[in-house]
Amino acid sequence: GAVVSQHPSRVICKSGTSVKIECRSLDFQATTMFWYRQFPKQSLMLMATSNEGSKATYEQGVEKDKFLINHASLTLSTLTVTSAHPEDSSFYICSAPGQGASEAFFGQGTRLTVV
Amino acid sequence: AQSVAQPEDQVNVAEGNPLTVKCTYSVSGNPYLFWYVQYPNRGLQFLLKYITGDNLVKGSYGFEAEFNKSQTSFHLKKPSALVSDSALYFCAVRDTSGYNKLIFGAGTRLAVHP
Repeated sequence: GAVVSQHPSRVICKSGTSVKIECRSLDFQATTMFWYRQFPKQSLMLMATSNEGSKATYEQGVEKDKFLINHASLTLSTLTVTSAHPEDSSFYICSAPGQGASEAFFGQGTRLTVV
Repeated sequence: AQSVAQPEDQVNVAEGNPLTVKCTYSVSGNPYLFWYVQYPNRGLQFLLKYITGDNLVKGSYGFEAEFNKSQTSFHLKKPSALVSDSALYFCAVRDTSGYNKLIFGAGTRLAVHP
């Protein structure tokens, strides 16, 4: 099946620094990628929809300048958390949507800890 | 508006007993329904899906789910639970408004006790 690879799996950074999370589709082309945030023991919250060659679509309440999304190619989408603060600490997951009858595919997730 | 409900925060079951994790949905038109499982600090793993056809869907790791249109339900089941099945389970429906994004339920934590 299709594979979505997400890196890094864990990252610890200092407050005020920026962190980039990469999401790659390994054996297929993804014109769209979803970015989710998950708080402990909670469901996934959709942050934004990344579109290859165009601007990302952000969900209401998500700061565009804080969470920069770039979909530079058909196999790579990145999420950059800028000027990170402890409240940005969370689990971030990317996903490529299913097409037709196919299911969606998820990256392994990134545990971000801001100290 | 489309939505998914998982009414139980946690389900506890003894190893070897059957398990059920409940899910109900609300969509316009025919639903595309999915179950995913999440282990700690991992992404979501696909278990099974209902698109069309037989109402009883069989998936990975011995799980199955029954689509019930009249009750708008898609409950996940397994005849004999394993301790290793302990995880967080998500039911989801595909949003028909574009991009094929998924609408998730709140998740149900399954705890299987030895």
